[in-house]
Parts: sequence; C-alpha cells; structure tokens
Amino acid sequence: AQSVTQLGSHVSVSEGALVLLRCNYSSSVPPYLFWYVQYPNQGLQLLLKYTTGATLVKGINGFEAEFKKSETSFHLTKPSAHMSDAAEYFCAVSVRDDKIIFGKGTRLHILP
Amino acid sequence: DAMVIQNPRYQVTQFGKPVTLSCSQTLNHNVMYWYQQKSSQAPKLLFHYYDKDFNNEADTPDNFQSRRPNTSFCFLDIRSPGLGDAAMYLCATSRAGTGANYGYTFGSGTRLTVV
Repeated sequence: AQSVTQLGSHVSVSEGALVLLRCNYSSSVPPYLFWYVQYPNQGLQLLLKYTTGATLVKGINGFEAEFKKSETSFHLTKPSAHMSDAAEYFCAVSVRDDKIIFGKGTRLHILP
Repeated sequence: DAMVIQNPRYQVTQFGKPVTLSCSQTLNHNVMYWYQQKSSQAPKLLFHYYDKDFNNEADTPDNFQSRRPNTSFCFLDIRSPGLGDAAMYLCATSRAGTGANYGYTFGSGTRLTVV
C-alpha cells in the first residue's frame, strides 16, 4: 500500500530564506505526487503535482518540487520565504485509483 | 467561478444529537469525497461517491453516513456525535479517472464542535 512520510511536523525559516519541506513516499507502482497548502480554517489548495515527464515541477506562489525516484522523495522548496507562506503543507500520493493519501502535514512558520 | 461550497463553516452540536453537513459543487464532477481532519493530523478519507455509487472506507465508523441526492450535492450525516468526532470535515471533488492526475478541488471545510 502507498504511504507518505513528511519529516518535521514544524519547520521555521526566516523571511527571505530558503524553504525546504521534506516528503518521502512508498509505492509499489509509479506514483502521482502532490503538495497541498492549508491556511487556518480553510480547505486544501493544490500547490503542484507530479504525474509523468519532467521531474522538476513548478507550482503556484513560487514553490517547486523535484521527484527523485531513487530516493523516493518529493521535497518542496521555495528560494525565498514570505510571511504569507506561513501555513500547513501536506504531501500526498495517489496510484491512479482516484484516491489520494495524505501525509501528516508540516506547519511552516516564517520568522521576521 | 466553479467551486465547492461547504455549509455551514462552523457547526456546534450537542453530544449524541444528529448533525448534517452539506457540500455542493458547480464543477459537474462525478466523484465526491468526505475527509475528516483532526487537529494537527492528516485528512482521513471517510467515503466517496462515484456518481451514485457509494464507497465506504473499511475503518469509517457506522456513526457516519452519507447521501448524494444528485450530482451537485453531497451530505455527511453523523448519527450520534461523540466528543471524538470534533474535527474539520472537508469535502472534495474530482472528475472520474482524473483525480489522480489533477488532484482534488476542496471546499473550505466545516469545523464541527461537539459539546
């Protein structure tokens, strides 16, 4: 069965610093991978996704993620953090059965 | 704008008193999902509908039921809410066969408090 592990339930970075949120997946077949963002008391918004093709995917708000099959990873990065990036981020995996499995989430704190 | 709307945004119910949460969508997606998200936890899939076909997750308690009277609406019924059912409930939609490719569209959620 597929699963997702997010390393670090809380991550703090200074405004303007690099954001790196880690995600590792487990899947017996090539996965589809997603990052979602959730602001307080809101639903989840899709940031970016990897299905096939280019392993470096760009999303909204300046975020990007790289699919590394050899490392079973799909880490999320942003070169320069902004205060508005403070939110909860969820990595998720699907194996084409229309069901998405979410990781436990990482709360990103931005320090002024 | 096409969207997924959940009502109400906040719901307070009494212990043991039945409660219904609603979700509507203008996307004409044929798959609708209900997730439960407890504080600081991942969203957990309760069940989903493929058109009118209901698919329950194996570990979803019997206390949770769902109805989908038409393509646009889906309801989550909690027959006898317990304190442990306090959570954010998220509705999501996708077009069949594409949910894995494009992800889901989520509503803003309903935060349920049980007193």
